[in-house]
Amino acid sequence: EIVMTQSPATLSVSPGERATLSCRASQSVSNNLAWYQQKPGQGPRLLIYGASTRATGIPARFSGSGSGTQFTLTISSLQSEDFAVYYCQQYNNWPLYTFGQGTKLDIK
Amino acid sequence: QVQLVESGGDVVQPGWSLRLSCAASGFIFSTYGMHWVRQAPGKGLEWVAVISYDGSNKYVTDSVKGRFTVSRDNSKNTLFLQMNSLRAEDTAVYYCAKDYGFGDFFDSWGQGTLVTVSS
Repeated sequence: EIVMTQSPATLSVSPGERATLSCRASQSVSNNLAWYQQKPGQGPRLLIYGASTRATGIPARFSGSGSGTQFTLTISSLQSEDFAVYYCQQYNNWPLYTFGQGTKLDIK
Repeated sequence: QVQLVESGGDVVQPGWSLRLSCAASGFIFSTYGMHWVRQAPGKGLEWVAVISYDGSNKYVTDSVKGRFTVSRDNSKNTLFLQMNSLRAEDTAVYYCAKDYGFGDFFDSWGQGTLVTVSS
């Protein structure tokens, strides 16, 4: 099983500032990496796939980078609606899909 | 637009069975793989099961193997998860999710249905 490790567990950032979230895979997943956003009481929403491609309707302030074992999600200028929990997921080793444990993005 | 609506969650005792459903609309259901993903209270996401577009390929995670079965009815645009021999550790919100194709990322998710296993 590929273990996905996200850091930090909680990130406190002020609105308008940049947020950088990290995800590390225990072995290479190539660029088969997705990022999801989840707000309380809601199902997750796809943000990024292929490590760096924004999903339909996702604002340009969200960007993804990385390949192999190290990945980053950057939110360039935080809006109030961006405070949520973010998960990375590898789909390289399907059907053994695995998610990171999540990063909670808090208002500072 | 894509809509996925889960139903069937309930409070049950250990050892009981439950069948979850996911009604799909807004896309050609019969051409996409579908998944079940669960989230225990206050915890992260755990993939549970996947089924190919025609139901010919199915996989479940090891912790539910032999107890859970995924199926689909393409004539009714509905995905199912049959859960038998339920355990306390199966307590979670269960989401259905649409695959981008089959073996890809999950491009749409439902709102989830809560399953509570408790005596």
